[in-house]
Amino acid sequence: AQTVTQSQPEMSVQEAETVTLSCTYDTSESDYYLFWYKQPPSRQMILVIRQEAYKQQNATENRFSVNFQKAAKSFSLKISDSQLGDAAMYFCAYRSARGGGATNKLIFGTGTLLAVQP
Amino acid sequence: EPEVTQTPSHQVTQMGQEVILRCVPISNHLYFYWYRQILGQKVEFLVSFYNNEISEKSEIFDDQFSVERPDGSNFTLKIRSTKLEDSAMYFCASSEMRGVGEKLFFGSGTQLSVL
Repeated sequence: AQTVTQSQPEMSVQEAETVTLSCTYDTSESDYYLFWYKQPPSRQMILVIRQEAYKQQNATENRFSVNFQKAAKSFSLKISDSQLGDAAMYFCAYRSARGGGATNKLIFGTGTLLAVQP
Repeated sequence: EPEVTQTPSHQVTQMGQEVILRCVPISNHLYFYWYRQILGQKVEFLVSFYNNEISEKSEIFDDQFSVERPDGSNFTLKIRSTKLEDSAMYFCASSEMRGVGEKLFFGSGTQLSVL
């Protein structure tokens, strides 16, 4: 079974600085997707960024980028130029591509609570 | 951006009572999901629903749980006889397609407290 581990329960960053959130996962599959979701105080989970396992190039969305190390099963999120609005819980998630995406479920980590200091 | 709406935001119930959690997915979405998060634990998949039937469910989703899309807009999760361990935040989600990289849109959750 696949598992996702986020070893940092809490992180803090100064406004305008860069922070990296860690995520490791375990799977025997070769094709899958990885995601980072943000959960602000409003509680609604919002997709931040996604990475296809077969792509070597790291995904980037504006100030958010990932460092995807497939052999190491590592998927960290880097937030550059941190803003107060980035303060939230961040969840790493895995989704199998087995069966062409027939399985719908996301497997989540336990989350990292990010605080942004002004 | 369109949103998934969940009601109520908080629900308190007595153990053994039935509860129905309601969700209005995004209107052109075809795939619907329930997840839950027990306080301090991981967000866990419960069930996915497509074309008026369950397409996948987890081992958590036992006979006490059921889902329904009663009127083409709402998507409900019913817990027949609640237990203390059902206390959790329940998230509804929807997606337009089923592809493995498909973006899921989540609601803000219903906090269920079973006393």
